[in-house]
Amino acid sequence: EAGVTQFPSHSVIEKGQTVTLRCDPISGHDNLYWYRRVMGKEIKFLLHFVKESKQDESGMPNNRFLAERTGGTYSTLKVQPAELEDSGVYFCASSQDRGAGGYTFGSGTRLTVV
Amino acid sequence: AQSVTQLGSHVSVSEGALVLLRCNYSSSVPPYLFWYVQYPNQGLQLLLKYTSAATLVKGINGFEAEFKKSETSFHLTKPSAHMSDAAEYFCAVSGGSSGYSTLTFGKGTMLLVSP
Repeated sequence: EAGVTQFPSHSVIEKGQTVTLRCDPISGHDNLYWYRRVMGKEIKFLLHFVKESKQDESGMPNNRFLAERTGGTYSTLKVQPAELEDSGVYFCASSQDRGAGGYTFGSGTRLTVV
Repeated sequence: AQSVTQLGSHVSVSEGALVLLRCNYSSSVPPYLFWYVQYPNQGLQLLLKYTSAATLVKGINGFEAEFKKSETSFHLTKPSAHMSDAAEYFCAVSGGSSGYSTLTFGKGTMLLVSP
């Protein structure tokens, strides 16, 4: 079984530019999550999809972040325009059930805004 | 709101020594508790989980953790450290107002293993 795939693995962009991160969950996993770790801080929840619907987006920091999940398959997280404080590692995870089984995480995308 | 406290951002042990990584949590409802490990340049891997069954939970790679409700703790242990255990370890909790879907993480503990 293929795992959760994220790309790019690294991205360096200038402040004010746009970046799109992509996550391919494990096939058949209806639940998809985005988390972020800013340097020196804890990993924080951003949002949760069930199929193509946003179940909980309470962790999204502001309206510069837009997440979509086309047809309930892969998901994208767009940051537009990027700010310096957006730098960090963005993790995607997927699960069959809603958390009791634990998630499967991807390797993350390290975003650096300069 | 839930929270997780991991004591010690870095823990150093010698190969063969006991590993003890501390985790305390707060939750207004019976929690689910997890330990994840991140090896360099890899994603988060689930080590073990507690979901209201046995309080002593065994995970992969010889790790185990004990849920102690009275102490609100879920410490991770391994009897004998191996060089390959060097990684960053994260304790996480789910439950409460955010539901059981959302994880609240601690800040992580980097385990350093010396020969």
